[in-house]
Amino acid sequence: GENVEQHPSTLSVQEGDSAVIKCTYSDSASNYFPWYKQELGKRPQLIIDIRSNVGEKKDQRIAVTLNKTAKHFSLHITETQPEDSAVYFCAATPNAGGTSYGKLTFGQGTILTVHP
Amino acid sequence: DTGVSQDPRHKITKRGQNVTFRCDPISEHNRLYWYRQTLGQGPEFLTYFQNEAQLEKSRLLSDRFSAERPKGSFSTLEIQRTEQGDSAMYLCASSLGSVIGRGEAFFGQGTRLTVV
Repeated sequence: GENVEQHPSTLSVQEGDSAVIKCTYSDSASNYFPWYKQELGKRPQLIIDIRSNVGEKKDQRIAVTLNKTAKHFSLHITETQPEDSAVYFCAATPNAGGTSYGKLTFGQGTILTVHP
Repeated sequence: DTGVSQDPRHKITKRGQNVTFRCDPISEHNRLYWYRQTLGQGPEFLTYFQNEAQLEKSRLLSDRFSAERPKGSFSTLEIQRTEQGDSAMYLCASSLGSVIGRGEAFFGQGTRLTVV
């Protein structure tokens, strides 16, 4: 089955700095890679996702890059703000004819702290 | 609220008791997933329904766990003879299974189970 490794486990930055979180996956059949933000006591919320037919996707201050050859993908947050502080999870899933979307294998999570 | 809803939000039970959780997915979503999340870890996949059919179960789902989705709408997760190791957040997610669509999963707030 799929195995997703996420680094770092904790990340502390100053407000305005950039933050980068990296994930690697093992199953070459994986082709959908979402990122979730989870605030304390709350549900994981999708913040950005990427499919395997693109190498990069950007949404305002958040971007995700994907390298299918190396089987890794990264989350980039620019101009960080204190409200970005949360746990971030990467995930991967194969999509064999559309049957496996949502059956996600998650990374271990990164606790991001943005200091004002 | 048109998101995924779970009930109860918190459950404290004595070891050996049975518990049942409910999940109401987003109404048009045909896929429903159960995940378990322990402190400091990413959610782990437990089981998955497409409409009323349970299509996949993780090895994590021992025979004390059973899940149903009788009419293809809400789902229940029952744990029999609870053990302290069952203490975790149980998350439900739903998605619209489609080869064409994005198929992203939306999570509920979770049910936090504490076995004492």
